[in-house]
Amino acid sequence: TQTVSQSDAHVTVFEGDSVELRCNYSYGGSIYLSWYIQHHGRGLQFLLKYYSGNPVVQGVNGFEAEFSKSDSSFHLRKASVHWSDSAVYFCAAVNTGNYKYVFGAGTRLKVIA
Amino acid sequence: GGIITQTPKFLIGQEGQKLTLKCQQNFNHDTMYWYRQDSGKGLRLIYYSITENDLQKGDLSEGYDASREKKSSFSLTVTSAQKNEMAVFLCASSQGNAETLYFGSGTRLTVL
Repeated sequence: TQTVSQSDAHVTVFEGDSVELRCNYSYGGSIYLSWYIQHHGRGLQFLLKYYSGNPVVQGVNGFEAEFSKSDSSFHLRKASVHWSDSAVYFCAAVNTGNYKYVFGAGTRLKVIA
Repeated sequence: GGIITQTPKFLIGQEGQKLTLKCQQNFNHDTMYWYRQDSGKGLRLIYYSITENDLQKGDLSEGYDASREKKSSFSLTVTSAQKNEMAVFLCASSQGNAETLYFGSGTRLTVL
């Protein structure tokens, strides 16, 4: 069974703090990993993706994520958060050659100004 | 750039009623998806369509039908609305397999 786990349902930080949102996956084969952000009342928006190459990938608005095959992880990080980063963040995975994305349950990030 | 439009934004129906949600995209993408998002939970795949005239069942297809009328549109029908399926339904499209998903803003379903 292919699964994506986000262990933290809620994370609260102060503006200017760094943050790491965790994602672990259980998948076989070649995998394509991505992060999406959902602001209240909106659809999901793409942040970044990893398939191969440099395990640290850069995304929009200063976000980056690091792939680790040994830990089966793809954690999202930001060095200095802004109040506008408050949203729900979803990790997603799909096998290459497949169309069926699997999403984690999401992590709600609250940034206190 | 493109956009995905979902209509209606809010849908209220009676228990047992047949209800249809619509999705249009102007990205010229081949693949379209319907996801259900329950409060505080992740997304679950209901149906997807790889190309025009294709339909594939997701993990949550029971109780739903879908129709890919043309490349740009993908409809979802709740065959008999139940109170336990009040949720937000999200439509998405992508250029192909394992490509970035682009989402609409959702249809919130309420069943009375």
